[in-house]
Amino acid sequence: QKEVEQDPGPLSVPEGAIVSLNCTYSNSAFQYFMWYRQYSRKGPELLMYTYSSGNKEDGRFTAQVDKSSKYISLFIRDSQPSDSATYLCAMTTYNTDKLIFGTGTRLQVFP
Amino acid sequence: GAGVSQSPSNKVTEKGKDVELRCDPISGHTALYWYRQRLGQGLEFLIYFQGNSAPDKSGLPSDRFSAERTGESVSTLTIQRTQQEDSAVYLCASSPTRGGNIQYFGAGTRLSVL
Repeated sequence: QKEVEQDPGPLSVPEGAIVSLNCTYSNSAFQYFMWYRQYSRKGPELLMYTYSSGNKEDGRFTAQVDKSSKYISLFIRDSQPSDSATYLCAMTTYNTDKLIFGTGTRLQVFP
Repeated sequence: GAGVSQSPSNKVTEKGKDVELRCDPISGHTALYWYRQRLGQGLEFLIYFQGNSAPDKSGLPSDRFSAERTGESVSTLTIQRTQQEDSAVYLCASSPTRGGNIQYFGAGTRLSVL
């Protein structure tokens, strides 16, 4: 079993839709949770960074962490064609330095 | 410089050849990481540097892989006697400190082993 599980998609939605992306994990020691966006042939770009449980909002993006369920989510409101990319969840503990990534979910927003 | 810089952006090599991949981190970032991303997969950790020492090499897949870093600057990932399964995008990231901190990624080197 992988430490981090993420549905690879692809997920195809119309412009303006609300998108929900999710990851589950098995290691209860994870404390830092991130969402990266990766456009084709580019490096991952940090979107959201959350410590421990709770919600964080930044513009059209909301990140949620539920440590009791070992489940994290990224919501995108009013999705745009420019949001079409692969979204990777990543997490780490305080005492280690490597990020553990999900496999990424490919999102396509069509006009 | 603005961000993490990697070179070359693309590398095609023949099976059995050695390759060197270079990473220039963001100035002042003490931590540097190498990851591998195979087609359709998430990123796989390879090695972490704090300054020029490598406290965590646990992700290097075999002794054909090695990496070094000069001070808090450039790092080189070397793959000896390349195999077809080494084909992947090799990504470098840097971070201002260690321990759960945000990692900033370069665009990667796309390695194809024929």
